[in-house]
Amino acid sequence: QLQLQESGPGLVKPSETLSLTCTVSGGSITSSSYYWGWIRQPPGKGLEWIGTIYYSGSTYHNPSLKSRVTFSVDTSKNQFSLKLSSVTAADTAVYYCARANSFLGGYYPYCFDYWGQGSLVTVSS
Amino acid sequence: EIVLTQSPGTLSLSPGERATLSCRASQSVSSSSLAWYQQKPGQAPRLLIYGASSRATGIPDRFSGSGSGTDFTLTISRLEPEDFAVYHCQQYHRSPGSFGQGTKLEIK
Repeated sequence: QLQLQESGPGLVKPSETLSLTCTVSGGSITSSSYYWGWIRQPPGKGLEWIGTIYYSGSTYHNPSLKSRVTFSVDTSKNQFSLKLSSVTAADTAVYYCARANSFLGGYYPYCFDYWGQGSLVTVSS
Repeated sequence: EIVLTQSPGTLSLSPGERATLSCRASQSVSSSSLAWYQQKPGQAPRLLIYGASSRATGIPDRFSGSGSGTDFTLTISRLEPEDFAVYHCQQYHRSPGSFGQGTKLEIK
């Protein structure tokens, strides 16, 4: 059974960089046809698609986040990571990592069939 | 960006009743690229429906999806107590992927 687990600081100061890592177990991050994504949910609000990365390093992020987002992948550790720079209180949210599965059809960015439990990140001084 | 609008915002029903949730897209979406998720408090979303009408693994057949173009529907035929949750639709027809704002299904 595939499992994803987010890890990282729960509190980040304004203007600093939020960093989260997702560890994948029960399957390989290098499996073809899967993309690895990040989604966030501000308290009491809806879901926002942040972007995805492929194991080869190809990435796509939501233009709404402009150039603040950086994705990376470490295939040796079966992990992928998110960095979000210059954070403000508006970036306070539960951050989820998830697997986007092209085998379920449709087009990129595909839908998410496995999710991590989520990591609450609060931006506050 | 394709904007998804879900209605109603909140739906109050009783167990055993039928629930109909709507998701409307700001532009046409391929029916192969529309998904529904269920989210319970404190939990991650769970994939229910993909490709507008295909149930994900382990999803009971009381859940069904339909629609095309800009209008999609999630139907729960007979509500069970565990079905009361928030439901989100997602389009993956075009990047960036986008979600609706969610419909809260609450016990009447």
